[in-house]
Amino acid sequence: EVQLLESGGGFVQPGGSLRLSCVASGFTLSDYAMTWVRQAPGKGLEWVSSLSGRHDKSWNADSAKGRFTISRDNSKNTLYLQMNSLRVEDTAVYYCAKGTEDTVATTLHYFDFWGQGTLVTVSS
Amino acid sequence: SYVVTQPPSVSVAPGKTARVTCGGNNIGSKSVHWYRQKPGQAPVVVMFYDYDRPSGIPERFSGSNSGNTATLTISRVEAGDEADYYCHVWDRISDHVVFGGGTKLTVL
Repeated sequence: EVQLLESGGGFVQPGGSLRLSCVASGFTLSDYAMTWVRQAPGKGLEWVSSLSGRHDKSWNADSAKGRFTISRDNSKNTLYLQMNSLRVEDTAVYYCAKGTEDTVATTLHYFDFWGQGTLVTVSS
Repeated sequence: SYVVTQPPSVSVAPGKTARVTCGGNNIGSKSVHWYRQKPGQAPVVVMFYDYDRPSGIPERFSGSNSGNTATLTISRVEAGDEADYYCHVWDRISDHVVFGGGTKLTVL
């Protein structure tokens, strides 16, 4: 059974940093593209960052470029999102999502499993 | 970057048919995927590759995609279908995953 368990969210002041984790079970993380998607309170889904399965290629939303870094530890089957220079507008629930392909860069890729999310609150 | 547009809300009476649209320039040339999100829950895929249903999604759910509009159709709507629905495409020009803004389906 595929499971994704996010952690690492919390309260942080503007300019601060957080590292989110997503522990995957029921499949091998490096076989699939993995993605972070966020949802601000009362708002829609927003893509943040994706990482390919085998080649460590990443794709990032404009809002994440230069501030967020996606990475993976295959030995722990865990996906990470290092978030620096956090802003109030980064406040959201952050979801980890498993893809159906090794890469997100295809129209054939979609998200077949999602975690329950972890809340990040950026406020002074 | 590529923009997909969804109506903010759709209302339908129980037993009737709901249509949730996802508009984009020549979206018919892309594969569109749909997710349902109920309050306090994570999204769940309800349609992929325009019109393929995952196991566990009832046949009342169908999809189409042509021209500038993709459509998720829910027939014989039930109270349990009430949720937010999001479309998703890949934009190869910007190398971005793109979500629609979401449509809140209300069952009257």
